[in-house]
Amino acid sequence: DVKVTQSSRYLVKRTGEKVFLECVQDMDHENMFWYRQDPGLGLRLIYFSYDVKMKEKGDIPEGYSVSREKKERFSLILESASTNQTSMYLCASRRQGPGNEQFFGPGTRLTVL
Amino acid sequence: KQEVTQIPAALSVPEGENLVLNCSFTDSAIYNLQWFRQDPGKGLTSLLLIQSSQREQTSGRLNASLDKSSGRSTLYIAASQPGDSATYLCASYTGGGNKLTFGTGTQLKVEL
Repeated sequence: DVKVTQSSRYLVKRTGEKVFLECVQDMDHENMFWYRQDPGLGLRLIYFSYDVKMKEKGDIPEGYSVSREKKERFSLILESASTNQTSMYLCASRRQGPGNEQFFGPGTRLTVL
Repeated sequence: KQEVTQIPAALSVPEGENLVLNCSFTDSAIYNLQWFRQDPGKGLTSLLLIQSSQREQTSGRLNASLDKSSGRSTLYIAASQPGDSATYLCASYTGGGNKLTFGTGTQLKVEL
């Protein structure tokens, strides 16, 4: 079975802190994604990566950056956390190619105080 | 730009009932359509993937159909159980086929 893991299930940080969210997949997938999910707004794509060291902005990249140094790991970085970044963050991965199945991690509930 | 709509937003049914969840999309040039389940506070679990060349896909009590020409997909759940209570999301790949567009989900409650 494909496994996508995220470093924390719950995280509480203070405004202005630098926050790292880590995601690891074990199926040698080329593509990895970071989403945030908020009530009434659904899932929104923050960043995605086609392969190692490659990244592209999604629909809402402002205030975030990403890092993909190894194929299995995709990190989301909040350079200076703000209260409007309180959300559920979901990582996903899939094999390269149009229409391949996408798999999600368990999510990280981030609260910024 | 692809738009994906799921109606109704919430549904409550008695245990044992067969039910259908609906998903509509505006751009029929899709690569595939994927159905997910999400339990409260959890990530998304992939249920079924229908390729654009397929009409339907089955897994256990679940059957998903795809009609590209009308821009519709349905998820049929047979003999519903309380454990089926969750939010169900559909999502489609369009354009270059690398990004999913999600619907806003149907929250299902199966009552004893």
